[in-house]
Amino acid sequence: KAGVTQTPRYLIKTRGQQVTLSCSPISGHRSVSWYQQTPGQGLQFLFEYFSETQRNKGNFPGRFSGRQFSNSRSEMNVSTLELGDSALYLCASSLAPGQGVYGYTFGSGTRLTVV
Amino acid sequence: DAKTTQPPSMDCAEGRAANLPCNHSTISGNEYVYWYRQIHSQGPQYIIHGLKNNETNEMASLIITEDRKSSTLILPHATLRDTAVYYCIVNNFGNEKLTFGTGTRLTIIP
Repeated sequence: KAGVTQTPRYLIKTRGQQVTLSCSPISGHRSVSWYQQTPGQGLQFLFEYFSETQRNKGNFPGRFSGRQFSNSRSEMNVSTLELGDSALYLCASSLAPGQGVYGYTFGSGTRLTVV
Repeated sequence: DAKTTQPPSMDCAEGRAANLPCNHSTISGNEYVYWYRQIHSQGPQYIIHGLKNNETNEMASLIITEDRKSSTLILPHATLRDTAVYYCIVNNFGNEKLTFGTGTRLTIIP
């Protein structure tokens, strides 16, 4: 079956712009989480969505936001981009909250470069 | 902050068993131990998890000490494709937020 699909794979944006990243979870998976990975900070949790509701949020500024649609697909948005937002953004899906204990499935990520 | 401590890097000869240690001395009774790995330019891949008993699946074995303060991930016959960063994570059942540490960079040597 298809895995977690993230689009686009690579993106270059200019400081001050905004960006939207997309994640399609595995079919049947309804919980989606987002992570940011940078060389300096490693993998950090951004937020988690289930049934179109944000259930959990990491320690990131309000410029980072997300949403989930009725088909479980999720998008995250970063406004007013800064150089430090350059990172690999990863999406992970699981069947439902509490089911992640059996293992999340991660996508290959979107590599965002801010210049 | 991550609740685990892992060596930053390890080497292992191809075909040998790779034993990756993890310390989690502050683990609480309802926290599981998870292992993920990340191959370059890919997302993390779930390997195995356990609570207090040793676990084995088609990828690896997980040995948890009796006091649960440390564990070891064992890749029984390492191949070059096992070269990756391995993350040990402790997490509550139902907590969707995974806290990754810096992991161990495992290099399999031909």
